[in-house]
Amino acid sequence: NAGVMQNPRHLVRRRGQEARLRCSPMKGHSHVYWYRQLPEEGLKFMVYLQKENIIDESGMPKERFSAEFPKEGPSILRIQQVVRGDSAAYFCASRGPTDTQYFGPGTRLTVL
Amino acid sequence: AQSVTQLGSHVSVSEGALVLLRCNYSSSVPPYLFWYVQYPNQGLQLLLKYTSAATLVKGINGFEAEFKKSETSFHLTKPSAHMSDAAEYFCAVGYSGGGADGLTFGKGTHLIIQP
Repeated sequence: NAGVMQNPRHLVRRRGQEARLRCSPMKGHSHVYWYRQLPEEGLKFMVYLQKENIIDESGMPKERFSAEFPKEGPSILRIQQVVRGDSAAYFCASRGPTDTQYFGPGTRLTVL
Repeated sequence: AQSVTQLGSHVSVSEGALVLLRCNYSSSVPPYLFWYVQYPNQGLQLLLKYTSAATLVKGINGFEAEFKKSETSFHLTKPSAHMSDAAEYFCAVGYSGGGADGLTFGKGTHLIIQP
């Protein structure tokens, strides 16, 4: 059973560009979470989605960030007009019917 | 609101020695507690979790943790450290829905194993 997949693993963008990060949950998992990890920091919760619904976006910055989890296809975290402060590792986790979140390998975003 | 404090951003032990990584939490509801391990440039792997059953939880790779409500602690231990244990360890807390909500993580403890 394949684990949580994220792509790309590394992404470089210039200031003002858009970044799109993709997350494919484990087979059978319908819950997806996005976290951000800044250098020397723990993970910070951003958003929790189920298929076609945002359940909790309390950790999402109010501007430039959006997330979706369509009926078909991966979950997408989108960052518009990136700034240097957006440079971080972004992790996706998925969950099935149990209480355990399984994490992907992360996407490391570098903003030049 | 909930929070997690991990005491010691870096912990160094000799190979074969006891590993003790400290985690204290605060939660307004009964907590669900997790320990994850992160190897360089990889994602997080679940070591163990406490979900209101036994207070002593055994996990993978010989790790275990004890939930102590009176001390609001969930320290991670391993009797004998191995070189392969060198990694970053994160303690996390969830609401009574367990992992259903977004987890709150500590800042992590970097475990160094001395040969």
